[in-house]
Amino acid sequence: SQQGEEDPQALSIQEGENATMNCSYKTSINNLQWYRQNSGRGLVHLILIRSNEREKHSGRLRVTLDTSKKSSSLLITASRAADTASYFCATDDGTSGSRLTFGEGTQLTVNP
Amino acid sequence: AAGVIQSPRHLIKEKRETATLKCYPIPRHDTVYWYQQGPGQDPQFLISFYEKMQSDKGSIPDRFSAQQFSDYHSELNMSSLELGDSALYFCASSPASYNEQFFGPGTRLTVL
Repeated sequence: SQQGEEDPQALSIQEGENATMNCSYKTSINNLQWYRQNSGRGLVHLILIRSNEREKHSGRLRVTLDTSKKSSSLLITASRAADTASYFCATDDGTSGSRLTFGEGTQLTVNP
Repeated sequence: AAGVIQSPRHLIKEKRETATLKCYPIPRHDTVYWYQQGPGQDPQFLISFYEKMQSDKGSIPDRFSAQQFSDYHSELNMSSLELGDSALYFCASSPASYNEQFFGPGTRLTVL
């Protein structure tokens, strides 16, 4: 079953702009992870944020987590054409062997 | 750094045939997960193993089975293949539950 929804489903921006993607989920979680996927290829792990954390940074990435609203956001600053990909959030509810439940993904296009 | 290895990368089978997908986790990762991603869809959890024992089972058809071996590699066996089994199959590994899951490049299975 679908755990979450991502918003927007598609985002097109110019190089240098910031991109914000949102993810909502339904159950309580142990952690939330963000992944990037280039067209039809592997999933690249970007960042993990635990349920007791509110914000995390990694390079040009900033992730926030609001457990009261069951939502997370991924901000990519100073975007580059190479950031063009699909971005998925995935939640681990901590009760089922750490299986990840993925959101529907946001297709980000960064135009040079 | 070593990554998750999956083989084969591409596989073409006829309906009703069988297929075996292999996964070699990152060294010292004791947990392996299998996911299926249909065209244009988000990855769906199939099954996971911890220390060679099945730890969780998702929406995996009865025609599929999997196991983890003493060297921690895992195999996903798929029998009586159907057209709808055409998808990307990902293996992921983690050093323990509730941690980052690192995905392999995937096996693209096409059933004709």
